[in-house]
Amino acid sequence: GNSVTQMEGPVTLSEEAFLTINCTYTATGYPSLFWYVQYPGEGLQLLLKATKADDKGSNKGFEATYRKETTSFHLEKGSVQVSDSAVYFCALSSKGGGSNYKLTFGKGTLLTVNP
Amino acid sequence: NAGVTQTPKFQVLKTGQSMTLQCAQDMNHEYMSWYRQDPGMGLRLIHYSVGAGITDQGEVPNGYNVSRSTTEDFPLRLLSAAPSQTSVYFCASRWDRRQETQYFGPGTRLLVL
Repeated sequence: GNSVTQMEGPVTLSEEAFLTINCTYTATGYPSLFWYVQYPGEGLQLLLKATKADDKGSNKGFEATYRKETTSFHLEKGSVQVSDSAVYFCALSSKGGGSNYKLTFGKGTLLTVNP
Repeated sequence: NAGVTQTPKFQVLKTGQSMTLQCAQDMNHEYMSWYRQDPGMGLRLIHYSVGAGITDQGEVPNGYNVSRSTTEDFPLRLLSAAPSQTSVYFCASRWDRRQETQYFGPGTRLLVL
């Protein structure tokens, strides 16, 4: 079956530090890949996505590249801010094959950015 | 648009009680899902629906029932609550099964004593 493995947190950084959150996946076929963000007390919001190999998703200074050869979709940001403190979820959506395009989520990584 | 709305925001139940978590969306989305979020477990799919009148089980369906009589509403029913169902529940929707961007509600925090 499909699965997503992301680095365990919590991750604590100082403002303006570089962020990497690792994500690897196992899936049949060619899934689409996502990063969702959950701010305290809220639901999840889509941060970025990539639908095919070598695609780069980007939003709000965050980036992630779909690497089929390493089955990875690592999240990066060059300079984090206090407002980036949240839980980040990596997810995949399988296309077809009876999967009904269900989303499979990783366990989440809590990021805390200190001023 | 209100997007995806969930009620209640917080609920305390005693073991064996029943309740319905409400979810509604005003975006005319066909595809709706229920997830539970537990510490260290991420989000796990409970049930989903690809359209009115059609539902299917997800990863952790036991102890939960759903129905989809209208496009807008997708309630989740707990027939006999158990402490293991203490969790945060999220409803989500998207246009159809191929449109992969999913919109989440704000969540319902449930405590079963």
